[in-house]
Amino acid sequence: GENVEQHPSTLSVQEGDSAVIKCTYSDSASNYFPWYKQELGKRPQLIIDIRSNVGEKKDQRIAVTLNKTAKHFSLHITETQPEDSAVYFCAANGGNNRLAFGKGNQVVVIP
Amino acid sequence: ETGVTQTPRHLVMGMTNKKSLKCEQHLGHNAMYWYKQSAKKPLELMFVYSLEERVENNSVPSRFSPECPNSSHLFLHLHTLQPEDSALYLCASSQVYPTPGELFFGEGSRLTVL
Repeated sequence: GENVEQHPSTLSVQEGDSAVIKCTYSDSASNYFPWYKQELGKRPQLIIDIRSNVGEKKDQRIAVTLNKTAKHFSLHITETQPEDSAVYFCAANGGNNRLAFGKGNQVVVIP
Repeated sequence: ETGVTQTPRHLVMGMTNKKSLKCEQHLGHNAMYWYKQSAKKPLELMFVYSLEERVENNSVPSRFSPECPNSSHLFLHLHTLQPEDSALYLCASSQVYPTPGELFFGEGSRLTVL
């Protein structure tokens, strides 16, 4: 099945700076790559996703880029704010359409 | 209530107890999931129900027993658990299964096994 790795496990950034989280996947048949945000004590929520027919997608301060050749995709958060502090999970669907999640990245935005 | 709701939010039980976790979705979705979330680990898929039929059982020990009486409700029955079963149990739903689409999660039930 699909195997998803996330790096780094923890990321601290100054408020206003950018944060980048990278994920790698193993199954070249994966064509759907979502990112979920989980604030402390809250449910995971989808914040952005990308499908394999595009290389980049943006939604306000959040963007995701996909490199199918290298089998990695990244989440970019610009102008970070304290409310961006959370755990971010990436996932890939694999050829069998069953989502495999990474371990999560703790992002800490320092005011 | 909208979305996916889970009860109880917190549960402490001994290894010989029997308890149940409940999940309800108000989204009209056809698929429901149980995930286990432990610290520093990926979300682990436990069970999937599609149109009230169990379609996935990912080598979960028999001390966890799911039940899906209808497409809006999902239960996880717990019996003779071990301390390593302590975790956050998340319920989720999606429109169809399998799906390259959004999962809608509940807020989870935090289980502590003494």
